[in-house]
Amino acid sequence: AQSVSQHNHHVILSEAASLELGCNYSYGGTVNLFWYVQYPGQHLQLLLKYFSGDPLVKGIKGFEAEFIKSKFSFNLRKPSVQWSDTAEYFCAVTPPSGNTPLVFGKGTRLSVIA
Amino acid sequence: EPEVTQTPSHQVTQMGQEVILRCVPISNHLYFYWYRQILGQKVEFLVSFYNNEISEKSEIFDDQFSVERPDGSNFTLKIRSTKLEDSAMYFCASRGTGANYGYTFGSGTRLTVV
Repeated sequence: AQSVSQHNHHVILSEAASLELGCNYSYGGTVNLFWYVQYPGQHLQLLLKYFSGDPLVKGIKGFEAEFIKSKFSFNLRKPSVQWSDTAEYFCAVTPPSGNTPLVFGKGTRLSVIA
Repeated sequence: EPEVTQTPSHQVTQMGQEVILRCVPISNHLYFYWYRQILGQKVEFLVSFYNNEISEKSEIFDDQFSVERPDGSNFTLKIRSTKLEDSAMYFCASRGTGANYGYTFGSGTRLTVV
């Protein structure tokens, strides 16, 4: 069975600090990988996704993620966070074929303080 | 950009009552999903739907739950006899195929069972 592990439950950063949120998955085959963001009281929004090709993926709002196949990881990064990045971040994975649903990690809450 | 629309945004119901949560997926998507998120917890898969039938369901999706696509556009989740523990945010998602592969989530319905 697939699982997705997000190592950090809650991360607190000052504005302009760099961010890296860890995500590991347990699935032996080829996968599609996603990062979603959920701002307080809002729905899930796609930040970025990886299907194939360049393992460094750029998303919206200055976020990027790097797929490292040998480590089964897909960590999310941002060089300089802003107060508006305060949100819950979810990593998700699914195989590329068929109708197997997205499996989400438990999420990491990011709090950015001034 | 195409959206997944969910109604209502918030529903309060008494324990034991039936509720129907409605979703309008993106028109050219073929795969549909319901997820839920209990407050403060991760996003959990409930059920997937393809070609007018359930293709996969989780342990959460017991006999109290049902889904249907009554008119080719709406995709509904029914809970027959709500329990207090059904209180959660329910998200609908639809997925495209091929060049349109990707999951799009609705804004969610917050269900409160009292």
